[in-house]
Amino acid sequence: AQSVTQLDSQVPVFEEAPVELRCNYSSSVSVYLFWYVQYPNQGLQLLLKYLSGSTLVESINGFEAEFNKSQTSFHLRKPSVHISDTAEYFCAARPLHYQKVTFGTGTKLQVIP
Amino acid sequence: DTAVSQTPKYLVTQMGNDKSIKCEQNLGHDTMYWYKQDSKKFLKIMFSYNNKELIINETVPNRFSPKSPDKAHLNLHINSLELGDSAVYFCASSPGRQSTGELFFGEGSRLTVL
Repeated sequence: AQSVTQLDSQVPVFEEAPVELRCNYSSSVSVYLFWYVQYPNQGLQLLLKYLSGSTLVESINGFEAEFNKSQTSFHLRKPSVHISDTAEYFCAARPLHYQKVTFGTGTKLQVIP
Repeated sequence: DTAVSQTPKYLVTQMGNDKSIKCEQNLGHDTMYWYKQDSKKFLKIMFSYNNKELIINETVPNRFSPKSPDKAHLNLHINSLELGDSAVYFCASSPGRQSTGELFFGEGSRLTVL
């Protein structure tokens, strides 16, 4: 079984400031890792994913996440946030050989003008 | 064209009623899911079907019954609705067993039980 922990339920940050959303996972087997974003009244959308290879993965809108196996972490970062980044962000994990995706409890990113 | 579509988007009903939510995907995926998102935004998997076969069945009251008539459709029927069933129910799909598991979500169906 795996679990995903997002310690920060809310992260307020000023516009154009950097942000880090933390995610830690626990699993007895290897996992794929994901970050999803949920805008108000919408479904979740994939932001980025780590499958294998380079531990740093990037999204098209400036977010990046780094897989750290020793710390079992997959933190999400952005060097400069925009108002439009205000949303709920979910970290998720899926074992390589089983289709169950487990989500963290989400972090609400509030970008302050 | 919407990739994963759910109907209805909003559902308000009384305790004790029976209701259904329908989901369809036009992505050609083999696997479909139902997730429940509570008021605190916590997402919990309920069921998953792979090509019409039930593969994940979490600890969900048996008042909830999924049905997959074909791999493009996954419906959720709820009997004897309770106040605690109020939530947003999300349907999702993924390519299948050999995929990396990226999920494609519908926009959700907000169920309110009075």
